Amino acid sequence: NAGVTQTPKFRVLKTGQSMTLLCAQDMNHEYMYWYRQDPGMGLRLIHYSVGEGTTAKGEVPDGYNVSRLKKQNFLLGLESAAPSQTSVYFCATQLDGTYEQYFGPGTRLTVT
Amino acid sequence: KNQVEQSPQSLIILEGKNCTLQCNYTVSPFSNLRWYKQDTGRGPVSLTIMTFSENTKSNGRYTATLDADTKQSSLHITASQLSDSASYICVVRTGGSYIPTFGRGTSLIVHP
Repeated sequence: NAGVTQTPKFRVLKTGQSMTLLCAQDMNHEYMYWYRQDPGMGLRLIHYSVGEGTTAKGEVPDGYNVSRLKKQNFLLGLESAAPSQTSVYFCATQLDGTYEQYFGPGTRLTVT
Repeated sequence: KNQVEQSPQSLIILEGKNCTLQCNYTVSPFSNLRWYKQDTGRGPVSLTIMTFSENTKSNGRYTATLDADTKQSSLHITASQLSDSASYICVVRTGGSYIPTFGRGTSLIVHP
């Protein structure tokens, strides 16, 4: 039972490159979230999904796209990376609207 | 706008001492409040949840309180240990919302 896993753990991109972050969960949770965490800013919501095939924008969605084709996977894409997207990205899952969130270990992304 | 404010921003204490972290919120309607612990380089992990009817809840050396009238919560850590060094995040959820509101966290350092 792996819980919530994130791939990759670290990545360095050049400005303008693209990449996809994968979040996978084996807990059969309906809700999945992508956050970014920057020093002094706390966790900010990028996009979220309330079930397979659904996605919605969070607080800071610009420059990111997401897909939830399978219930267990939530993908975060950066089409054209910018230095402002240098951050630590966390995926979280949740059983339903009131339960606790379970976070992955994070992906540290640097854009040069 | 829903907001969660935490204080202090950072705190340094000696091992064995007690400390109290504060969380004030303006989230409405209130559903529940969670305290998360985030160790360096890892995702946050839930410590405790407080609902409207609960005033105090303990989890080992951690005790959370909630005053729903003044919209304040505190997290008290007793007999601190080096392993308590972490960021503590207050998260408040509104009724009927998929999206929790995060505080920016309090960074606690416990020195030997």
